[in-house]
Amino acid sequence: DAKTTQPPSMDCAEGRAANLPCNHSTISGNEYVYWYRQIHSQGPQYIIHGLKNNETNEMASLIITEDRKSSTLILPHATLRDTAVYYCIVIDKYIFGTGTRLKVLA
Amino acid sequence: NAGVMQNPRHLVRRRGQEARLRCSPMKGHSHVYWYRQLPEEGLKFMVYLQKENIIDESGMPKERFSAEFPKEGPSILRIQQVVRGDSAAYFCASSRGTGANHEQFFGPGTRLTVL
Repeated sequence: DAKTTQPPSMDCAEGRAANLPCNHSTISGNEYVYWYRQIHSQGPQYIIHGLKNNETNEMASLIITEDRKSSTLILPHATLRDTAVYYCIVIDKYIFGTGTRLKVLA
Repeated sequence: NAGVMQNPRHLVRRRGQEARLRCSPMKGHSHVYWYRQLPEEGLKFMVYLQKENIIDESGMPKERFSAEFPKEGPSILRIQQVVRGDSAAYFCASSRGTGANHEQFFGPGTRLTVL
């Protein structure tokens, strides 16, 4: 079973920040949080990952709470091409849940 | 630097035939993973292999499915005597190392249709 809980769907206006939450209350100390997205039926695309510190790259930012029980993926300026299913995964094993279907609206 | 390659991209088989799906990992990656995705569902882990070794096959069905990653050549996912329920997208991923700090890179998938 997936170790994460995500809302099934979200809408975001184009140009605005998209904040995608993920709960992982059973995460253990050495488990990383990974985010991937799947656009239409393509292969999943790696976005970002982190352990306990907040992370930022050219695609997104990852905010992890101090107790590590939840995290938020932030797409700072969402575009129509960011419409996808976003998966939050806690590794030790890659178990994908059903993710959040993000729809960016023009 | 080519990404993960999978072929064929689309495969049609009749019930009872065999399906062979191929995956070439990214250059420098020696860890390969196979996933299955049914329509409108998330990805389900099937098997994790390193060169010539199966490390974790906990997600593989007990019958008809097998996987290999030989010393030379691509990784192969083999499905014998396919049934309609095997129709799905099969994704392969590769990573440079193992453990929690190595992201997986996914291929474009093979869409298997069983008639």
